[in-house]
Amino acid sequence: GENVEQHPSTLSVQEGDSAVIKCTYSDSASNYFPWYKQELGKRPQLIIDIRSNVGEKKDQRIAVTLNKTAKHFSLHITETQPEDSAVYFCAANLFSGGGADGLTFGKGTHLIIQP
Amino acid sequence: DVKVTQSSRYLVKRTGEKVFLECVQDMDHENMFWYRQDPGLGLRLIYFSYDVKMKEKGDIPEGYSVSREKKERFSLILESASTNQTSMYLCASSQDRASSPLHFGNGTRLTVT
Repeated sequence: GENVEQHPSTLSVQEGDSAVIKCTYSDSASNYFPWYKQELGKRPQLIIDIRSNVGEKKDQRIAVTLNKTAKHFSLHITETQPEDSAVYFCAANLFSGGGADGLTFGKGTHLIIQP
Repeated sequence: DVKVTQSSRYLVKRTGEKVFLECVQDMDHENMFWYRQDPGLGLRLIYFSYDVKMKEKGDIPEGYSVSREKKERFSLILESASTNQTSMYLCASSQDRASSPLHFGNGTRLTVT
């Protein structure tokens, strides 16, 4: 079936370095790609999203890139800080029949920032 | 700011019990969702609703049902709880069906013994 693959499952980086998380999706009709951050014991919260009409979007230290041809999108975090430690989820809207069936999530990446 | 409220933070039920998980949102969103979160499996969609009294199955609807009698309230029902339904359940709402951000509740940690 339609799905979203996310890699890596765990990522450990030194504080101040960059982190990159990658996702691929299967439905060429997908046009909305959000990223969520979930801190321990808390709800997932949107940190950035991108639509299919743009290839890149940036918000301070966070950026997302989208390659529609290859059907993959990536989250880039620069100058990582301890508070960036969390689980990150990518998602895409997958279509079946005549309408969108909601967002399908990747399995998550546990990002660990080493001091 | 959107507020999605789930009625219970922690719940312990016995096998075979009927369980109700309640969710209320205050932003007049048309769309509401129930997800299940398990370690290593991410968030999986159980059911969603795009209007009052309307419901659609998600990826893992077996063993669950839902009710949406009012726009602001979306209930998840476990007809006969089983131990494999022990999980974190997250409710969410959104303005558009699948092209706007989801706003999540704090989650309900359900344990079935």
